[in-house]
Parts: sequence; C-alpha cells; structure tokens
Amino acid sequence: KAGVTQTPRYLIKTRGQQVTLSCSPISGHRSVSWYQQTPGQGLQFLFEYFSETQRNKGNFPGRFSGRQFSNSRSEMNVSTLELGDSALYLCASSLGTGTNEKLFFGSGTQLSVL
Amino acid sequence: DAKTTQPNSMESNEEEPVHLPCNHSTISGTDYIHWYRQLPSQGPEYVIHGLTSNVNNRMASLAIAEDRKSSTLILHRATLRDAAVYYCILRDWSSSASKIIFGSGTRLSIRP
Repeated sequence: KAGVTQTPRYLIKTRGQQVTLSCSPISGHRSVSWYQQTPGQGLQFLFEYFSETQRNKGNFPGRFSGRQFSNSRSEMNVSTLELGDSALYLCASSLGTGTNEKLFFGSGTQLSVL
Repeated sequence: DAKTTQPNSMESNEEEPVHLPCNHSTISGTDYIHWYRQLPSQGPEYVIHGLTSNVNNRMASLAIAEDRKSSTLILHRATLRDAAVYYCILRDWSSSASKIIFGSGTRLSIRP
C-alpha cells in the first residue's frame, strides 16, 4: 500500500509570491490534515479536510488555505509569502472515522522563502 | 487539549531498554494517550496509544500510571534506528480526529 505522497519535496520562493503544495493520501483515507513545522514553534496544526469539507482549522492567518478534491487528494495554498512561512509542511491522512485512529504522515515539503 | 510535559532529551545505549516519561497531570477521563515519533527528515509516525491499561505492540510498550497522570513509553531493546523525537500527546475522543497538539517532545539519542 503506497504511503502519503507530498509534492514537491523542496520549494524555494520569494516574499510576496504564492505557493501550492500537494498531498495524495493513502488509498481509502478520506481525511487529510496539514501541519507546519518550524524549529521555533514545533509542529502546529493548520487544518483538516474530510470529504471535501474543512472540518477543523488551526490558528493561522487567512493567507493559508486548502482544499480537498473528490479523490481525497488535497492542496494547500499560501498567498503573499512572508519570510516566517519558511517551514516543513506536513500532511497526514487517516480514515477520518474516529479520534483514536492512526495518522499517517508524508515526508513533507520543505518551503524556503527568500 | 490537556498539556503534556516531557524531558527535552535523553540518551541510551544500543540494545538496552529505554523508558521515555511523560507527565499529563491535567488529563481528563476522555483523553487517550498517544505516542508518535519523528525520525530525521521524515514525518511523524504512530507508535502506540492507550487509555487506562498498559499496551504492547511490535514497536513498544506503554505503561500508564494508575491515576493516569503520567505514562512511560518503553522501547525494549533500542537500536540506532530508534533515534528520533518522541511526542506524547493527549487526544480527547470527542474532538476532531486529526487535530493533534504536539508538544516539544523528547529527542532520543542512541549510543552504539
């Protein structure tokens, strides 16, 4: 069974640009959640999508948005990039049916904003 | 979500058992205790979880105190591949499935 796939693996952008990150969940998983990881703040929850609907949202500005397609694949968009957006962005997938199910994480997209 | 407290770092020798502690004094009756670990250059991976009783799986064991205010993740025989950051997390069964509040975790180093 293929794992969670995130593309691209590395990305370099400049301030003010926008970026789109992609996540393909494990086959059969309907929930995709996104996390930002930085050395200073650690792992922080961004949002979760389940069956194409945002089910939960963390404390991030509106520049961070996402969507989920009918095949459960998800994209995350960050507009008007700031230097502080440099981070590892991780996506996780799960069946989405219960709190105690396992989350399966991808290897992440390393975003550098110059 | 209730908060957990873990040591910043620990060191152990290869092929010896490792006990990773976690304090969660404000745990509620509906909180499950989960452990994830993050190896270098990878996303976190699930290790184990439990509610009240001790739990075992192929990766590790979870020992939960009787009052549930603390727990210990036990790696029975550490290998170099177990070097990672270990996160102890509380997840309320009534909250969103995927919203996990990660703490700073314990960075485990293994000496050959």
